[in-house]
Amino acid sequence: DGGITQSPKYLFRKEGQNVTLSCEQNLNHDAMYWYRQDPGQGLRLIYYSQIVNDFQKGDIAEGYSVSREKKESFPLTVTSAQKNPTAFYLCASSTTARPYGYTFGSGTRLTVV
Amino acid sequence: KQEVTQIPAALSVPEGENLVLNCSFTDSAIYNLQWFRQDPGKGLTSLLLIQSSQREQTSGRLNASLDKSSGRSTLYIAASQPGDSATYLCAVDAGNMLTFGGGTRLMVKP
Repeated sequence: DGGITQSPKYLFRKEGQNVTLSCEQNLNHDAMYWYRQDPGQGLRLIYYSQIVNDFQKGDIAEGYSVSREKKESFPLTVTSAQKNPTAFYLCASSTTARPYGYTFGSGTRLTVV
Repeated sequence: KQEVTQIPAALSVPEGENLVLNCSFTDSAIYNLQWFRQDPGKGLTSLLLIQSSQREQTSGRLNASLDKSSGRSTLYIAASQPGDSATYLCAVDAGNMLTFGGGTRLMVKP
């Protein structure tokens, strides 16, 4: 079955610690995205990548970093510079040809302890 | 900058009712609009995608319409069921990414 796998499902971060969220897709999609969702709110774009070895900042990139070394993988690192990282993180992928339908993973819930 | 608004923010209806969820966007230069469903603590499931050249899409009891010129889309759910209880999100795609509305939280009571 084709899809997007996010891991872990739950993650706890101590103050001052960097953590990495995994996102893998086997849909052969070129583009991948990271979104953040806060309670009762819509999704906000953190970073996106349209091709391997290239990525762009979204609306709320500060305190986050990404890499895109393989087409299938787009890990997100939440750095200690992100002052309010507690949120639900969603990874998505899409084709780069219209109609650009998006597929989402099941999410990672990050909590600062 | 594209802004997407969904009204109402929350909706509670008895089972069997037909209902309409609204989505509006500020910039009509979009490639498509997508409706998603999100269950608590879960990811997003795509329900319907309407390309900019289309007026509506249907899937089972769901029908979504798009009026680009007025910046509006509606999601119509016929004969609602308790299993339809979830948050419904609309998102517009202007080429590189999706911009989401805040969602409508739907509760269908048996």
